[in-house]
Amino acid sequence: QAVLTQSSSASASLGSSVKLTCTLSSGHSTYIIAWHQQQPGKAPRYLMKVESSGTYNKGNGVPDRFSGSSSGTDRYLTISNVQSEDEADYYCETWDSNTQVFGGGTKVTVL
Amino acid sequence: QVQLQESGPGLVKPSQTLSLTCTVSGGSISSGSYCWSWIRQPAGKGLEWIGRIHTSGSTDYNPSLKSRVTISADTSKNQFSLKLTSVTAADTAVYYCAREAYSSGWYADYWGQGTLVTVSS
Repeated sequence: QAVLTQSSSASASLGSSVKLTCTLSSGHSTYIIAWHQQQPGKAPRYLMKVESSGTYNKGNGVPDRFSGSSSGTDRYLTISNVQSEDEADYYCETWDSNTQVFGGGTKVTVL
Repeated sequence: QVQLQESGPGLVKPSQTLSLTCTVSGGSISSGSYCWSWIRQPAGKGLEWIGRIHTSGSTDYNPSLKSRVTISADTSKNQFSLKLTSVTAADTAVYYCAREAYSSGWYADYWGQGTLVTVSS
């Protein structure tokens, strides 16, 4: 079964950029993943799906400063011009063997 | 715009059955290339997928919970439900329902607001 690995934390200054990584386990380099944002005390929100080609498709209302990309088994979420409301936990998700798998999440702190 | 809303008891006694319902608006649970899932999150921890029901009525479950989980749907009410038997304190969590879409794989694209279920006597 696929395993998703995320760094536990990241930080970015207001107005800067931050790139989060979700790494798929070996043998799963063609898998799509989805990124979700969970602000403090709120439900997760779907941000985008990212394909192995690097193509990404965002959910309704997701700001332009969020983008996705891919390289090998890594799937990325880049937040440009970081805002205070981007301080949140970010989870990646994939599908394998008729089950869903989530990464452990990355906590983003805005400085 | 699809909206999902969880409902059910907030407190369940150990060894009893946890029962939750998700009411869907803005779309039919019986049509389209979607399925309907349950996901939970213990306080301060990450997300754990519980299982899903397809529009066909077939189900997929997390292998670690499979023996205790049943997901069903009531298309007449546009609702789907979760039953988790023999609960313990480890089942205390916020429970979310979600819609999953398919594009080279399933992924959640709409989430409910979540409901806290505490297992305690």
